[in-house]
Amino acid sequence: KQEVTQIPAALSVPEGENLVLNCSFTDSAIYNLQWFRQDPGKGLTSLLLIQSSQREQTSGRLNASLDKSSGRSTLYIAASQPGDSATYLCAVFQEKLTFGTGTRLTIIP
Amino acid sequence: EAGVAQSPRYKIIEKRQSVAFWCNPISGHATLYWYQQILGQGPKLLIQFQNNGVVDDSQLPKDRFSAERLKGVDSTLKIQPAKLEDSAVYLCASSPGTGAPETQYFGPGTRLLVL
Repeated sequence: KQEVTQIPAALSVPEGENLVLNCSFTDSAIYNLQWFRQDPGKGLTSLLLIQSSQREQTSGRLNASLDKSSGRSTLYIAASQPGDSATYLCAVFQEKLTFGTGTRLTIIP
Repeated sequence: EAGVAQSPRYKIIEKRQSVAFWCNPISGHATLYWYQQILGQGPKLLIQFQNNGVVDDSQLPKDRFSAERLKGVDSTLKIQPAKLEDSAVYLCASSPGTGAPETQYFGPGTRLLVL
């Protein structure tokens, strides 16, 4: 059974800093991995999707990497802003999406 | 393009009562999903429809939960009778194709509190 873990559960950093969120999964036989953002009272927004054959994806200040063999992914956020405050979830796709428990990120102005 | 719509946004009921949630996916999307997100956890898939057929309902507590997607468009999820542990956010998502690895688009969710 696939298990997805995200550490830390919560993170606070001053505005402007670069930061890394971590995601690990137990079964490397995945089709893809996605990073989502969830704002309070709202649904999930897909940020980046990495296919199993890819090593990384970039969108603006966000960069996600995937090391399938070791079962790890990281989400790098450059030059953090208060608007980046949200919960970030990673999810892996096999027959369905399996989500981690998320990292609640707070950017301190 | 309109996103995934869900209603109601919030619902408070007492245990043993029944409740129903509604979802309207993005127009033309063939696949629809219902997820349950308990506080502090990631979403868990309850049921997946492709058009109006069920693809996966392995994690749906069928003794109390039911779902339907009539005419392959909008969908309802029902809980009867509700238990305290059903308190959660119920998320609906849709995707354009057959549910193979592709981006899912999520609605805002319905927050359920069972007292």
